[in-house]
Amino acid sequence: AQSVAQPEDQVNVAEGNPLTVKCTYSVSGNPYLFWYVQYPNRGLQFLLKYITGDNLVKGSYGFEAEFNKSQTSFHLKKPSALVSDSALYFCAVRDNTGGFKTIFGAGTRLFVKA
Amino acid sequence: DAGVIQSPRHEVTEMGQEVTLRCKPISGHDYLFWYRQTMMRGLELLIYFNNNVPIDDSGMPEDRFSAKMPNASFSTLKIQPSEPRDSAVYFCASSSTDPNEQFFGPGTRLTVL
Repeated sequence: AQSVAQPEDQVNVAEGNPLTVKCTYSVSGNPYLFWYVQYPNRGLQFLLKYITGDNLVKGSYGFEAEFNKSQTSFHLKKPSALVSDSALYFCAVRDNTGGFKTIFGAGTRLFVKA
Repeated sequence: DAGVIQSPRHEVTEMGQEVTLRCKPISGHDYLFWYRQTMMRGLELLIYFNNNVPIDDSGMPEDRFSAKMPNASFSTLKIQPSEPRDSAVYFCASSSTDPNEQFFGPGTRLTVL
């Protein structure tokens, strides 16, 4: 069965500092991995995805994520945080064995302080 | 493109009433998903369709919930009868051919009194 873990309920960083939001996963086949962001009273917005290829994936708004197969992780990173990055971040996974069911993590709230 | 459209945005109803949520996916997308989001349970997949056919409804909580997709541009999620524990934000999302990302609608906030 597929599963996703986001071990931190909240991450606090100062504006201008690097940020990391952690995600680990479990799938039976090879993973497709996604990060989404949710702002208050809005639907989720896609940030980036890993399907295959380069382990470092670049996405929207300066975010990137690194796929680590041995550690089954897909941490979201940004070199310099902005106050406007404050939001709820979801990691999601599905496997490549045929089903289209995507499992979302519980979410991590990022708070960037000015 | 207007994105995924959901209606209504807010719904307040009384326990026992029927509730119908509506979704218009992005044109050309083959997949449509219904999710429920609550503080306690996070984001849960209820059901998804491929080419208007329900593929996996294992997340539908019970028989009070039903979903239909009569054509490629419209889907409904119905709760009958509604209960206070159904209060949540319900999202519809659509996606094009595998394995692309999902585009979410703005959600319907349902409150059952």
